[in-house]
Amino acid sequence: AQTVTQSQPEMSVQEAETVTLSCTYDTSESDYYLFWYKQPPSRQMILVIRQEAYKQQNATENRFSVNFQKAAKSFSLKISDSQLGDAAMYFCAYAGNTGKLIFGQGTTLQVKP
Amino acid sequence: SQTIHQWPATLVQPVGSPLSLECTVEGTSNPNLYWYRQAAGRGLQLLFYSVGIGQISSEVPQNLSASRPQDRQFILSSKKLLLSDSGFYLCACRPPSRGLRETQYFGPGTRLLVL
Repeated sequence: AQTVTQSQPEMSVQEAETVTLSCTYDTSESDYYLFWYKQPPSRQMILVIRQEAYKQQNATENRFSVNFQKAAKSFSLKISDSQLGDAAMYFCAYAGNTGKLIFGQGTTLQVKP
Repeated sequence: SQTIHQWPATLVQPVGSPLSLECTVEGTSNPNLYWYRQAAGRGLQLLFYSVGIGQISSEVPQNLSASRPQDRQFILSSKKLLLSDSGFYLCACRPPSRGLRETQYFGPGTRLLVL
């Protein structure tokens, strides 16, 4: 069975600086998608970025980018120029052949002004 | 693009009472629909998913059930609530035209407190 692990329960970053959130996963599948979702205090899950495993190029969405290391089964999220509105819980998630999303336990990000 | 509505937003229920949470989707037809539960400060656990009307798959044996009476309506129910049913319930949608691994989009969620 696939698993997703986020080893950092909490992280903090100074406003305008860069922070990296870690995620590792375990799977025997070769074709899958990986996602980062943001959950602000409202608790609605918002898609931040996604990565298709067959693509070698790392996904980027404005200030958000990933470092996808397929062989190492690592999928980290980098947030550049952090803003107060980035404060939230971030979840790494995996979708494989079943189409079901498997989530990590989340990382709470604090942004300090 | 699809919009997902969940009702109610917040619910406080006594132990042993029935439950009905509703999820409706706009902007897409024949979506795959999902119910997740999130305990406080934890990750999401998939409870049920549906690929079509009347088609329900259960992921975890529990006190809850799901139904899909219409294409864009997904209902989570219980006959008798337990304290352990408290949590945050999220409905998600994946448009059918995309592959199994494609993005799921989430509704605003329902906060359930069982006392």
